[in-house]
Amino acid sequence: DTEVTQTPKHLVMGMTNKKSLKCEQHMGHRAMYWYKQKAKKPPELMFVYSYEKLSINESVPSRFSPECPNSSLLNLHLHALQPEDSALYLCASSQDLTSGGGNTQYFGPGTRLTVL
Amino acid sequence: AQSVSQHNHHVILSEAASLELGCNYSYGGTVNLFWYVQYPGQHLQLLLKYFSGDPLVKGIKGFEAEFIKSKFSFNLRKPSVQWSDTAEYFCAVRTGANNLFFGTGTRLTVIP
Repeated sequence: DTEVTQTPKHLVMGMTNKKSLKCEQHMGHRAMYWYKQKAKKPPELMFVYSYEKLSINESVPSRFSPECPNSSLLNLHLHALQPEDSALYLCASSQDLTSGGGNTQYFGPGTRLTVL
Repeated sequence: AQSVSQHNHHVILSEAASLELGCNYSYGGTVNLFWYVQYPGQHLQLLLKYFSGDPLVKGIKGFEAEFIKSKFSFNLRKPSVQWSDTAEYFCAVRTGANNLFFGTGTRLTVIP
């Protein structure tokens, strides 16, 4: 089973709203990732968590706030977003961050976010 | 800085034609290489990966890729494409910094 689930599938929010995206995996993976994908563009890394600790933050604005409450869950809290933040937000997980086969990333279906 | 290049932005083939999608990367150290596919309306799926050993790797659905270290390339191939192969294909490279860099993607359209 290589399934990563994400909720919601679609989200529409205003610029003053606060919302959260959720990601879950039950593969025992200890690394989880958030990516942002704009239309017709490749995914761009936002955050990496390893063993529930933030490992990489790719200079993401503070209006995006990640949280890893446990090894199976990854949240992305959204506040005061801008219309240009509209995109597909992808979650991924891998066994760990070591080199070799353990770092193969498996992606969820994404949350399509629209900011009005 | 690391980069991944996919020079073919859109490829249109008839069914049964052979496919080769180019992928070149710029990084001098050890790399792990991946091809992902994104079917219309679906999420990214792993097609195949290379970490070490035999430079010719076979993936799912009849795809294969060859790692040529001297050319910094990892081209994707399939001898005979099907209409169901219509999708966006992304090459990705992981470097020692644990970051996965994606190419810009190649859109494949297979005409029945």
